[in-house]
Amino acid sequence: GAVVSQHPSWVICKSGTSVKIECRSLDFQATTMFWYRQFPKQSLMLMATSNEGSKATYEQGVEKDKFLINHASLTLSTLTVTSAHPEDSSFYICSATRGGGLDNEQFFGPGTRLTVL
Amino acid sequence: DAKTTQPTSMDCAEGRAANLPCNHSTISGNEYVYWYRQIHSQGPQYIIHGLKNNETNEMASLIITEDRKSSTLILPHATLRDTAVYYCIVSFYSSASKIIFGSGTRLSIRP
Repeated sequence: GAVVSQHPSWVICKSGTSVKIECRSLDFQATTMFWYRQFPKQSLMLMATSNEGSKATYEQGVEKDKFLINHASLTLSTLTVTSAHPEDSSFYICSATRGGGLDNEQFFGPGTRLTVL
Repeated sequence: DAKTTQPTSMDCAEGRAANLPCNHSTISGNEYVYWYRQIHSQGPQYIIHGLKNNETNEMASLIITEDRKSSTLILPHATLRDTAVYYCIVSFYSSASKIIFGSGTRLSIRP
């Protein structure tokens, strides 16, 4: 149990286009989802915290108008990279917690590799 | 900023115990110690967590010092599949608590 999926697993796009990445909790309801990005040979950097039905909370230095996060249901959060540029090329990873006071173990998705040409 | 300090890299012989240290001298009384690992090009995987008592599960053991300023993750019989980056994290016990990753320890298991 507690599986998180991401779609797509990889995407290549042209500079200036927008890309949407989906994060789904497959067998549990996720009250909170998190989005990270990871550059090669670096650690994960938290971008934002997303709660169902409310606006995401972005970390300092993360542009909320560039990285649009929507958490419309308890099983789905989306990250849209708007007007993507080559410097946005990265590994994007989401995670989810089950909430409800059960625990705060984060279940991570497999990641989405974005390459912007 | 991450609240933990870990060695950059370690190696261990296959079949031996791998002991990964972590310093978290500024941990507060109600923060937990969590360990995750990330195998290359995959999402991180939860390993274990604890508050002040030692913990053990099917993957590993967690030893926390009495003053809680440091801990050690123990993989009792390391295999090649344990090669990964291991992250020690301190966080509050809440489903909304965010995790801040440090640089972790790159563990290499040699045959």
